[in-house]
Amino acid sequence: GQQVMQIPQYQHVQEGEDFTTYCNSSTTLSNIQWYKQRPGGHPVFLIQLVKSGEVKKQKRLTFQFGEAKKNSSLHITATQTTDVGTYFCAGPIDEKLTFGTGTRLTIIP
Amino acid sequence: KAGVTQTPRYLIKTRGQQVTLSCSPISGHRSVSWYQQTPGQGLQFLFEYFSETQRNKGNFPGRFSGRQFSNSRSEMNVSTLELGDSALYLCASSFFTGVAYNEQFFGPGTRLTVL
Repeated sequence: GQQVMQIPQYQHVQEGEDFTTYCNSSTTLSNIQWYKQRPGGHPVFLIQLVKSGEVKKQKRLTFQFGEAKKNSSLHITATQTTDVGTYFCAGPIDEKLTFGTGTRLTIIP
Repeated sequence: KAGVTQTPRYLIKTRGQQVTLSCSPISGHRSVSWYQQTPGQGLQFLFEYFSETQRNKGNFPGRFSGRQFSNSRSEMNVSTLELGDSALYLCASSFFTGVAYNEQFFGPGTRLTVL
């Protein structure tokens, strides 16, 4: 079964509100990746974090890797309609890239 | 640089049939992974190939198999199709360095429907 869980499963926000998705692994990860999948599309790589406690920013997106390297988060500031989609985290477990359950973000204009 | 291509994009089969899906990775990428995506199970790892060798395999029955050719193109085969095999099958290529997983470049997927 899934060893990388994400919460929440769904999130509906008003345009302009902030959004956060959390990713938790059952085991320590050497690195964590984040992907975005637009409705009807395929996953697209956003970023990779490697170091314990690492924080990276991409414009309105902030990614964090936990100190224990078992959890991560993605925070979007002031959401826009272009942020709609499902966000997945992924990490190597037993040498297999294991994807989280995903968080589907919908924006209310 | 051309992206990952998958053929066919859509497929309808009946139970008991078999199917072969094809994936052409980005030029220079020698690692190809396959994933099954369903609403209930999310993205599930099927297998990964590197230089024509299967590096890893997910928890799928033996009906699911794959191979990689010398030009890095990959195929996956599902025999004796079941209704539960209906899914989006995604192929991803990467520049594998042998140390850790790098950015995965996904193809558009093949939507398989089993009737």
